[in-house]
Amino acid sequence: AQKVTQAQTEISVVEKEDVTLDCVYETRDTTYYLFWYKQPPSGELVFLIRRNSFDEQNEISGRYSWNFQKSTSSFNFTITASQVVDSAVYFCALSDFNFGNEKLTFGTGTRLTIIP
Amino acid sequence: NAGVMQNPRHLVRRRGQEARLRCSPMKGHSHVYWYRQLPEEGLKFMVYLQKENIIDESGMPKERFSAEFPKEGPSILRIQQVVRGDSAAYFCASSPPPGTDTQHSTDTQYFGPGTRLTVL
Repeated sequence: AQKVTQAQTEISVVEKEDVTLDCVYETRDTTYYLFWYKQPPSGELVFLIRRNSFDEQNEISGRYSWNFQKSTSSFNFTITASQVVDSAVYFCALSDFNFGNEKLTFGTGTRLTIIP
Repeated sequence: NAGVMQNPRHLVRRRGQEARLRCSPMKGHSHVYWYRQLPEEGLKFMVYLQKENIIDESGMPKERFSAEFPKEGPSILRIQQVVRGDSAAYFCASSPPPGTDTQHSTDTQYFGPGTRLTVL
């Protein structure tokens, strides 16, 4: 069975600080996808990134970066120079590389609060 | 290109009533997933549908819940005889068949804004 653990329930940082959100996953599959979604206070889910298990290259997109380490089954998310607009709940998720059915297993989320 | 649409955004029902939640996927997307988010929890998979077919309903409660995705029209998640424990946010997500959507990533689910169901 698949499992995603986000051990940090809540994090608060002062604006402009860097912050890392941890994600650890479990799966018996050798091929899979990992995702991060953002849920701002308005409640919708915003797709941030998808990474497949073949690609361990780290990715950077503006102030966001992701560190995928297969050896430790982790897919951590770092926000540099945080801003108040980054305040949200962030979910890490996992899906099988199963053609035709990529249902997602979500972690319980990390609530990030950026203090102005 | 409009995103995934869900309506209503908020729904209030009394115990014992029926709730119908609608989801219109992105244009060209024929895969629909429904998830439930209980208060202060992550999202839990409920059901995966393609047009006129239920592919995976392993996350659906055995009773009172049903889902459909007809050839024409939106996908519907139906909850009969609602109870207070059904109060949650219900999200649907859509994804395209591989190779058909060059604007969005395949194998990625794009979520609607959710329907917040409150059972009194």
